[in-house]
Amino acid sequence: GDSVTQMEGPVTLSEEAFLTINCTYTATGYPSLFWYVQYPGEGLQLLLKATKADDKGSNKGFEATYRKETTSFHLEKGSVQVSDSAVYFCALSEDGGGSNYKLTFGKGTLLTVNP
Amino acid sequence: NAGVTQTPKFQVLKTGQSMTLQCAQDMNHNSMYWYRQDPGMGLRLIYYSASEGTTDKGEVPNGYNVSRLNKREFSLRLESAAPSQTSVYFCASRRQGDYGYTFGSGTRLTVV
Repeated sequence: GDSVTQMEGPVTLSEEAFLTINCTYTATGYPSLFWYVQYPGEGLQLLLKATKADDKGSNKGFEATYRKETTSFHLEKGSVQVSDSAVYFCALSEDGGGSNYKLTFGKGTLLTVNP
Repeated sequence: NAGVTQTPKFQVLKTGQSMTLQCAQDMNHNSMYWYRQDPGMGLRLIYYSASEGTTDKGEVPNGYNVSRLNKREFSLRLESAAPSQTSVYFCASRRQGDYGYTFGSGTRLTVV
């Protein structure tokens, strides 16, 4: 079945540091890939997505590129802020928006950014 | 505010008790989902409803039942709660053709 593996946390950085959170996936077909973010005490929010190979998703300074050859979708940000402290989830779906669409999530990576 | 509303936000149950978690969305979304979130496990799909009148099992359905009461509401029932069901439960919805979910703020359930 489908699965998502993301780097173990927690990750602790200083403000303005460079962030990478690794994500690799296993899927039988050609999935769409996502990063979700969960701030303390809240539900998850969609951060960015990519639906085909070599697509780059971006939002709020975060970027991730769909790499089919390495089955990866690593999240990066050039300069993190304290407000980026949250749990980040990588996810995939094999159904492109259709009725059987459902997301498979990784285990999440806790990011803490110190001032 | 428009979105996904879950009730209650917190609940403590004794082993063997039953309860229903409520979820409602006001965005006219077709699909609705129930996930549980456990430390070190990420989110795991319990049940989902692709459209009004249909429900399907997800990854971890045992011990749960669901009802898609109408297009707005999708409830999750624990008939006989067990300590292993201690978790944070999230409801989510999605419009047909969209990729992103809209999540509720969660229900933190403790079974003692």
